[in-house]
Amino acid sequence: GQQVMQIPQYQHVQEGEDFTTYCNSSTTLSNIQWYKQRPGGHPVFLIQLVKSGEVKKQKRLTFQFGEAKKNSSLHITATQTTDVGTYFCAGQSNQGGKLIFGQGTELSVKP
Amino acid sequence: NAGVTQTPKFQVLKTGQSMTLQCAQDMNHEYMSWYRQDPGMGLRLIHYSVGAGITDQGEVPNGYNVSRSTTEDFPLRLLSAAPSQTSVYFCASSPRADTQYFGPGTRLTVL
Repeated sequence: GQQVMQIPQYQHVQEGEDFTTYCNSSTTLSNIQWYKQRPGGHPVFLIQLVKSGEVKKQKRLTFQFGEAKKNSSLHITATQTTDVGTYFCAGQSNQGGKLIFGQGTELSVKP
Repeated sequence: NAGVTQTPKFQVLKTGQSMTLQCAQDMNHEYMSWYRQDPGMGLRLIHYSVGAGITDQGEVPNGYNVSRSTTEDFPLRLLSAAPSQTSVYFCASSPRADTQYFGPGTRLTVL
């Protein structure tokens, strides 16, 4: 079945450093979504990418969808303590199909 | 709008007991899903529904039942609780089977 792998599992950075998490799917995706979960909270939708090679930005966050629509990345520039949490990617193999989540990357930021 | 609500917030069960986790949404979303979250495993889909009267299995359906008699409600039933079902359970709803709106979660411990 469809699998979505996400690396790294943990990332510890100094405030101000950059951070990147990577997501790889075993199958071609219709779309990929990114979520953030603060400690003790629930996942919150950040963005959805649909087009091959798509790049979207939200302030210091940059999201990319690979040309083959099988991988994606989230890059945070100059991390802040408010970025702490777990970032999940989630892939959908066809519109209306099951959404499969990656294992998540837990980001900690040292002030 | 309350969004997605889940009850209870916490629950402790003994092995073999049954219970129902409640989930309700007031956004008139057609799609609803149940996920479990375990350390290092990300969010795994248990069951989902694409509309009232329609349900389907996700990645880890064994030991769980669902029904969808109304658009608003999507309860998850544990038939005979086992320690392996100790987890945090999230319900989510979606207008178009893409962006997921998560509830606050139910933390379940099975002794």
